[in-house]
Amino acid sequence: EPEVTQTPSHQVTQMGQEVILRCVPISNHLYFYWYRQILGQKVEFLVSFYNNEISEKSEIFDDQFSVERPDGSNFTLKIRSTKLEDSAMYFCASSKHGTAQVEQYFGPGTRLTVT
Amino acid sequence: AQKVTQAQTEISVVEKEDVTLDCVYETRDTTYYLFWYKQPPSGELVFLIRRNSFDEQNEISGRYSWNFQKSTSSFNFTITASQVVDSAVYFCALRDSGSARQLTFGSGTQLTVLP
Repeated sequence: EPEVTQTPSHQVTQMGQEVILRCVPISNHLYFYWYRQILGQKVEFLVSFYNNEISEKSEIFDDQFSVERPDGSNFTLKIRSTKLEDSAMYFCASSKHGTAQVEQYFGPGTRLTVT
Repeated sequence: AQKVTQAQTEISVVEKEDVTLDCVYETRDTTYYLFWYKQPPSGELVFLIRRNSFDEQNEISGRYSWNFQKSTSSFNFTITASQVVDSAVYFCALRDSGSARQLTFGSGTQLTVLP
């Protein structure tokens, strides 16, 4: 069964450093998403991406964040200058379509620890 | 704006007991979709079910059942004859046509099934 994959599973970085989190969505899916979950809290939407453009983003997704589809398979989230409060689990998700009824399939997550 | 409330932070049951996880949602849209996801200790998010606002029929899948009631804006999840492997955090989520691409999650319910 196809699945979303994410690398690395755990990333430790120092405050102020740039990090890139990588995701490979399910191959026939067209919409891609990033969510984050601060430890013990709810999962929060960051951004959705379609046709090489951001289609929606939340207030959390400020200028420190960017997303890219550098090739036909990868989808990346970059945090330019990490802060302590960026420590969280970051989930990538994908869906076949962008309509509300279509389920999103999540990857296993990347745990980001900023020290 | 949409909102999902899971008032039960933690529930503990003994194996073979039935347990119901509550979910109450808010949305101004008449068309919306509700989801349940499971997050086991390994951390990934596993899709369980989707319901749309037009269909209030309850659904059963093995030991899992879902009770959707528009009159009370609730979408509750029952596990019958619980097992230790059911131990996880369970998230209820909502998508409406206003924000068709982003899932709004509740804060989750930590279910512990004791042997």
